[in-house]
Amino acid sequence: GQNIDQPTEMTATEGAIVQINCTYQTSGFNGLFWYQQHAGEAPTFLSYNVLDGLEEKGRFSSFLSRSKGYSYLLLKELQMKDSASYLCAVRGIGDYKLSFGAGTTVTVRA
Amino acid sequence: GAVVSQHPSRVICKSGTSVKIECRSLDFQATTMFWYRQFPKKSLMLMATSNEGSKATYEQGVEKDKFLINHASLTLSTLTVTSAHPEDSSFYICSARPSSTRDRTKETQYFGPGTRLLVL
Repeated sequence: GQNIDQPTEMTATEGAIVQINCTYQTSGFNGLFWYQQHAGEAPTFLSYNVLDGLEEKGRFSSFLSRSKGYSYLLLKELQMKDSASYLCAVRGIGDYKLSFGAGTTVTVRA
Repeated sequence: GAVVSQHPSRVICKSGTSVKIECRSLDFQATTMFWYRQFPKKSLMLMATSNEGSKATYEQGVEKDKFLINHASLTLSTLTVTSAHPEDSSFYICSARPSSTRDRTKETQYFGPGTRLLVL
């Protein structure tokens, strides 16, 4: 099975940086995804890590350590529109199913 | 590219009726589609994996006779909630995995906009 943990809520100021941590304990691992979801909308893909290290994409970066079962999503230069839920998801081996964490609600304040 | 649509976006129905939700991949083919449900402020829970031309694979605890899935073509999967009850009220989201590696970006799934079901 999969056990994925991430903080429930985080608050940050516009222009600041926020780091969302995700730890996982899984029976198999074939990649970790981060999605952004605004209230009442579908998740949108942000990043994908399958090897250890940092993946940078504009204001968003994602890090993975497979040995530690740990990932983080780094949001820089926060904007009001970044207020959303951020979902960490792990893909198992042999299929393409994703197991999602409960999501972290990020609130950006002016 | 990689757009997935869902219809309807919202539906209200009476208890005991059946509701069909469609999931379409608009600009790519998808051998595999997934159906999730999401309760308020909770994460997505995978209900079933829909495979074109074969039976769906249901997750543990999901009643296959209650949530009928049909994946009749490479661009369409349907979820029918049969004999709906108020506890079935939820946000249902589908996702699609492109069949062609040319259409895949980082092996991700593409999500539809979701269908909000309210059973009275």
